[in-house]
Amino acid sequence: GESVGLHLPTLSVQEGDNSIINCAYSNSASDYFIWYKQESGKGPQFIIDIRSNMDKRQGQRVTVLLNKTVKHLSLQIAATQPGDSAVYFCAETLSGGSYIPTFGRGTSLIVHP
Amino acid sequence: EPEVTQTPSHQVTQMGQEVILRCVPISNHLYFYWYRQILGQKVEFLVSFYNNEISEKSEIFDDQFSVERPDGSNFTLKIRSTKLEDSAMYFCASSLDSGGEKLFFGSGTQLSVL
Repeated sequence: GESVGLHLPTLSVQEGDNSIINCAYSNSASDYFIWYKQESGKGPQFIIDIRSNMDKRQGQRVTVLLNKTVKHLSLQIAATQPGDSAVYFCAETLSGGSYIPTFGRGTSLIVHP
Repeated sequence: EPEVTQTPSHQVTQMGQEVILRCVPISNHLYFYWYRQILGQKVEFLVSFYNNEISEKSEIFDDQFSVERPDGSNFTLKIRSTKLEDSAMYFCASSLDSGGEKLFFGSGTQLSVL
């Protein structure tokens, strides 16, 4: 069956470094991907999204890269700050399907001052 | 900035009891969702709701679960007879459209079934 998963459950970085969080998906029909950030005690918050007709999209300090050939998604955070410490989830929705985001397991990002 | 609000933030109940989790979605949103997250695990879809009816539901959303929009602002999740394995954080979300785009999540209700 289709699944969304993350390569690294925990990522520790120093403040100011760039962070890269990875996600693999298995369904080539998925056409819309979202990154969510979940801080402790809060619900997931939308960070950035990308459609399958793009391979890169940039936001403020964040960039999402999509490699459809290997079904890989990544979230890059520039100049990581302590406030970026959170669990990051990728989610996919399926073309022609329910458009209900299906979440992966999550990666915990820890930023050390 | 508008936000989804959920009450209570914590709910403790005895196994077999009924619980109702409450949510107030963002006022101009049309699509409503419940997700749950068991500690340390991924966020799992339960149900989506549009135009006063369920539009999608997962295998988790069995006959013990129901949702309702009793008025123009509230969206509730009821669990009729709670089980130990229902213990989880329950998130309500809403969105303006149905394309899976930009769901806005509440802060969740932590349900503990004893």
